[in-house]
Amino acid sequence: GAGVSQSPRYKVTKRGQDVALRCDPISGHVSLYWYRQALGQGPEFLTYFNYEAQQDKSGLPNDRFSAERPEGSISTLTIQRTEQRDSAMYRCASSSIPSTDTQYFGPGTRLTVL
Amino acid sequence: QQQVKQSPQSLIVQKGGISIINCAYENTAFDYFPWYQQFPGKGPALLIAIRPDVSEKKEGRFTISFNKSAKQFSLHIMDSQPGDSATYFCAASKTGGGNKLTFGTGTQLKVEL
Repeated sequence: GAGVSQSPRYKVTKRGQDVALRCDPISGHVSLYWYRQALGQGPEFLTYFNYEAQQDKSGLPNDRFSAERPEGSISTLTIQRTEQRDSAMYRCASSSIPSTDTQYFGPGTRLTVL
Repeated sequence: QQQVKQSPQSLIVQKGGISIINCAYENTAFDYFPWYQQFPGKGPALLIAIRPDVSEKKEGRFTISFNKSAKQFSLHIMDSQPGDSATYFCAASKTGGGNKLTFGTGTQLKVEL
């Protein structure tokens, strides 16, 4: 079956622009996680959902970052007024059982803010 | 505050040798310790995981050793192969905490012929 997909795979934007990153989890997976991975580092937790409910957004760096999952499937991570320090790989993961078990990661979106 | 410390940063092993990667954690509430393998251009993929009720778990050539008192765990890759060349991340999470993973900084493994 299809794994976690993310789009776009690469996004280059200018400082101050808003960007929206999309995650399509494995079909039927209840939990969806967003992580950010800097070059040479491990992924860092941003936020997660069970179904459509955002359970924890403690990892979001500031209020320019937001995420939604309105129908409990596809999720969008939005960064407003992007800054150069937002440049990173943004990864999405999903798991079948709420808040437990294996997380399956997508290929990521490489965001570059000029 | 780095809650999961991983070493070494990079590792070169000869084909057939044993690769060992170590991690240490600080949060005693962690109760799930997975290892992820990541190839260039791909997302991390779960390799093997352990919970603190056992001290060792083996799956094929991959073994996790867990020392609860020392708050350390390690990955051993036996009979290392060139196809094992990848970046390995240890991680930790706590059940009831949403299973949000805290990752180590990664180890770049290269297995030479």
